[in-house]
Amino acid sequence: GENVEQHPSTLSVQEGDSAVIKCTYSDSASNYFPWYKQELGKGPQLIIDIRSNVGEKKDQRIAVTLNKTAKHFSLHITETQPEDSAVYFCAASMNTGFQKLVFGTGTRLLVSP
Amino acid sequence: DAGVIQSPRHEVTEMGQEVTLRCKPISGHNSLFWYRQTMMRGLELLIYFNNNVPIDDSGMPEDRFSAKMPNASFSTLKIQPSEPRDSAVYFCASSFRTGAITDTQYFGPGTRLTVL
Repeated sequence: GENVEQHPSTLSVQEGDSAVIKCTYSDSASNYFPWYKQELGKGPQLIIDIRSNVGEKKDQRIAVTLNKTAKHFSLHITETQPEDSAVYFCAASMNTGFQKLVFGTGTRLLVSP
Repeated sequence: DAGVIQSPRHEVTEMGQEVTLRCKPISGHNSLFWYRQTMMRGLELLIYFNNNVPIDDSGMPEDRFSAKMPNASFSTLKIQPSEPRDSAVYFCASSFRTGAITDTQYFGPGTRLTVL
């Protein structure tokens, strides 16, 4: 089955810096890659996603890139703010009839003022 | 909309007791997912319902776990008997399945279960 690896497990940056979180997946049939943000005491919330027929997608300060050949996708956050501090999860899914997400292990991002 | 509602938010029980977790999906959604989150295994899918019917329960760890969805607005996850290794945060998520791979899953706040 699908396996998703995520790095780093923790990331500390200064406010205003950029942050990059990287994931790799194992199954070339995966075609959908969402990113979720989980704040303390809350459930994960979708922040951005990308389909396998797209190489890059941007939404304000966040962007995601996908390299299908390398089976690698990344989340980029620019101009980080303290409210970006949270745990971020990448996930991968293939079209099995429903969206069966396999999650990475998470990255704890800490943005210091 | 109030979002996905889960109850209780916290549950502490003793080994061997029955535990029932509850979920109310977003109104109008036709798909419901139960997940378990632990430090060791991360976030993993337990079971998926579509139109109240269980479609994929391959993630249910063992027979002690069971899930039901008697109607479109309510689902339960039951553990009987509970064991300390069941301690985790259990999330319910719902979505409106259009058949598109991009159907967004909306997660509830979770139930933190502690089995002593």
